[in-house]
Amino acid sequence: QSVLTQSPSVSGVPGQRVTISCTGSNSNIGAGYHVHWYQQLPGAAPKLLIYGNFHRPSGVPDRFSGSTSGTSASLAITGLQVEDEADYYCQSHDDSREVIFGGGTKLTVL
Amino acid sequence: EGQLVESGGAVVRPGVSLRLSCAASGFTFDDHGMSWVRQAPGKGLEWVSGLNWNGDTTYYADSVKGRFTISRDNGKKFLYLQMDSLRVDDTAVYHCARGGRTTYCSGRTCLPYWYFDLWGRGTLVTVSS
Repeated sequence: QSVLTQSPSVSGVPGQRVTISCTGSNSNIGAGYHVHWYQQLPGAAPKLLIYGNFHRPSGVPDRFSGSTSGTSASLAITGLQVEDEADYYCQSHDDSREVIFGGGTKLTVL
Repeated sequence: EGQLVESGGAVVRPGVSLRLSCAASGFTFDDHGMSWVRQAPGKGLEWVSGLNWNGDTTYYADSVKGRFTISRDNGKKFLYLQMDSLRVDDTAVYHCARGGRTTYCSGRTCLPYWYFDLWGRGTLVTVSS
């Protein structure tokens, strides 16, 4: 069971806005540790999507955005595209563990 | 941009040892901490271990502490994971990832900070009797 909780799945249609949530606690996100997000396309290695809560690495479209509030974090995807269909993972640090990942959310583009 | 290529995965029996390697190219290897992250079949990501730029500070997940050893050779640009006393639940694709423990400071508050900005495709380790 992951320390960071993500909904197993989310879906949307092309052009829509979807959000993926990542719920933690006062020992991780709530303690101020930064949240990072990864996209894993089918059969591929994970790719860094967001770091430091809301920063986008070079080459990541601005359709992807990250935010935090209290003990939770969110990844928003606007203008949903078919190629966004993938698994998405949040990651942070915890008082008792160096690196923690969420269980992952499978995004389906209908 | 950089590239990471893992090797060394195999099908092994419980209790044996295995060493994974990760070849780095296209970036200044010894500028970065490095890590191993694994993914069991059909499951999510699990951080395994990480080390700093010169290998003198290492970190391990509780699930592998005492059984796995991470190391690096900056001259050869290689990262390694020595896995001893392998168990069935170690079965996973093992990804090499660029990123180690750093610190983020805001005002007088400094917090640990880990993220992984380059990943390899992974090497499969299957532990089965």
